[in-house]
Amino acid sequence: DAGVIQSPRHEVTEMGQEVTLRCKPISGHDYLFWYRQTMMRGLELLIYFNNNVPIDDSGMPEDRFSAKMPNASFSTLKIQPSEPRDSAVYFCASTETGSSYNEQFFGPGTRLTVL
Amino acid sequence: GENVEQHPSTLSVQEGDSAVIKCTYSDSASNYFPWYKQELGKRPQLIIDIRSNVGEKKDQRIAVTLNKTAKHFSLHITETQPEDSAVYFCAANPQGAQKLVFGQGTRLTINP
Repeated sequence: DAGVIQSPRHEVTEMGQEVTLRCKPISGHDYLFWYRQTMMRGLELLIYFNNNVPIDDSGMPEDRFSAKMPNASFSTLKIQPSEPRDSAVYFCASTETGSSYNEQFFGPGTRLTVL
Repeated sequence: GENVEQHPSTLSVQEGDSAVIKCTYSDSASNYFPWYKQELGKRPQLIIDIRSNVGEKKDQRIAVTLNKTAKHFSLHITETQPEDSAVYFCAANPQGAQKLVFGQGTRLTINP
């Protein structure tokens, strides 16, 4: 398996632009998580899905952020409009229930820079 | 909600010595406590985890201990090597759910 796939790996955009980050979880995993990592705030959970349904979006910072999971193999995190304080590394992770472990497998991350 | 406190924030040890990182959690319903290692520019990767029905778990040079009463758990690395240099994160799952709340991380540096 290729693991969790994220695209793009790097994104540089200007303030006010729309940004879309993409994630493909590991096949068969039924949970998908979006995290944001910054020096100041560490690794924060933004939202997570179970069987494509959002379960907890309490970590989404504000209405500028939205996430969707239209099917089991694809999710997007959208920021509109983007602001410089959104600059961070965004990780997607997935896991499966029914196994003995809750290990979350992380993707390589998307480094977002908003100018 | 769950709060996970991790310390120290930075730790420097001589190669061959041991390193200990400690975490406390607030939600007594948490039952899964993983540790992740993140090398510079890389993704976090699980190195060891422990469940609430176990007090200690060991995997070669790495061990984790859990004290449910005190709500704290620790990572122990023995015979440290240069490749152990990384940022280490502890985490807990609030309400026994699938989601994780992470500590702030510990930057471990192994000095040759």
